[in-house]
Amino acid sequence: EAAVTQSPRNKVAVTGGKVTLSCNQTNNHNNMYWYRQDTGHGLRLIHYSYGAGSTEKGDIPDGYKASRPSQENFSLILELATPSQTSVYFCASGDTGVQNTLYFGAGTRLSVL
Amino acid sequence: GDSVTQTEGLVTLTEGLPVMLNCTYQTIYSNPFLFWYVHYLNESPRLLLKSSTDNKRTEHQGFHATLHKSSSSFHLQKSSAQLSDSALYYCALSYSNYQLIWGSGTKLIIKP
Repeated sequence: EAAVTQSPRNKVAVTGGKVTLSCNQTNNHNNMYWYRQDTGHGLRLIHYSYGAGSTEKGDIPDGYKASRPSQENFSLILELATPSQTSVYFCASGDTGVQNTLYFGAGTRLSVL
Repeated sequence: GDSVTQTEGLVTLTEGLPVMLNCTYQTIYSNPFLFWYVHYLNESPRLLLKSSTDNKRTEHQGFHATLHKSSSSFHLQKSSAQLSDSALYYCALSYSNYQLIWGSGTKLIIKP
């Protein structure tokens, strides 16, 4: 079974502060993704990566940066957190291929006060 | 552009009744892959079932879906709902090696 680990699981941040969400996968998947989940919007793609050293903008990248320093690790960075970024964030990984399954982490619940 | 539509944001059913969650899609690609993911409370979202074969029923864990390209649909069904089926269900479309197009999700609540 694919393993994707997110940390922290819960985070409270102050407006204007910097937040880093981390994701580690042990399955040697090329592709990794960061999503946020909000009621009524479903899963929205923030950034993704198709290998170490690469990051690509998803559908809602504004206010977020991403970093993929290795095959296993993919971070999401909020340089100046805002209350509108309060959400549940999911990391996922998957192999290249239109039919391939995504494996998700357990999620990070972020509150920006 | 490509899109996935789940018309019901919330479906509430009594245990034992049949389940049908709607999913329709739009794409320019002739061979899309369609997926259903399920997200149980306090767990990670995970794949429930997937298909790219027209008019073939796909089944998993008591749920089934059939891709109908003629109507661009991939509805999720189950003959008899269980309390444990309560979850958030996402329909998704794959059109490239890297990305999925997600529906907005349907929250399914099963009551005794």
